[in-house]
Amino acid sequence: EAGVAQSPRYKIIEKRQSVAFWCNPISGHATLYWYQQILGQGPKLLIQFQNNGVVDDSQLPKDRFSAERLKGVDSTLKIQPAKLEDSAVYLCASTTSGSYGYTFGSGTRLTVV
Amino acid sequence: KQEVTQIPAALSVPEGENLVLNCSFTDSAIYNLQWFRQDPGKGLTSLLLIQSSQREQTSGRLNASLDKSSGRSTLYIAASQPGDSATYLCAVRDDYKLSFGAGTTVTVRA
Repeated sequence: EAGVAQSPRYKIIEKRQSVAFWCNPISGHATLYWYQQILGQGPKLLIQFQNNGVVDDSQLPKDRFSAERLKGVDSTLKIQPAKLEDSAVYLCASTTSGSYGYTFGSGTRLTVV
Repeated sequence: KQEVTQIPAALSVPEGENLVLNCSFTDSAIYNLQWFRQDPGKGLTSLLLIQSSQREQTSGRLNASLDKSSGRSTLYIAASQPGDSATYLCAVRDDYKLSFGAGTTVTVRA
């Protein structure tokens, strides 16, 4: 089966600019996650979607981050305006039922200068 | 709140030595535990998935055990190779989310 697709792979922007990341999950996976991974740390959950509804966005900095999942398939994560501390790898993952494992995309490495 | 800890944070071994990576978690009410490999700046590759009812899973040179009652899992990598150099992350799935440890960074010296 095709994996989780993410783009772009790399992005360098200046602080206060905006950026958007895209994710296409595995076909049929109802649950989609965005994680932020800062260098040297484990991934931190930003937002979880079940189909096109938000289940958990408690750790999403809503003053600058937004995410949507249109039609319960693709998802976009946006940062506006970016700060230096947003430099990280942004990971998208999808899964299905509770006993199923997670599949991660290759990630987007964001550098804010 | 689930807390996942991985010890050690870093490990350096000569080629051919067996690797033992430890993971502990605080809440035993989990669906499963997954071990991932991550190369620098890249995404996560799933290595092994252990369901809560299982005691271990094996794939090639990799073996992972799970003791849910004590909140522990161990990943064994037999006869390590330089290509095994990477960060290894464990993650536990509970009601609706996956909680990660900070990872163990492994260096295998040729």
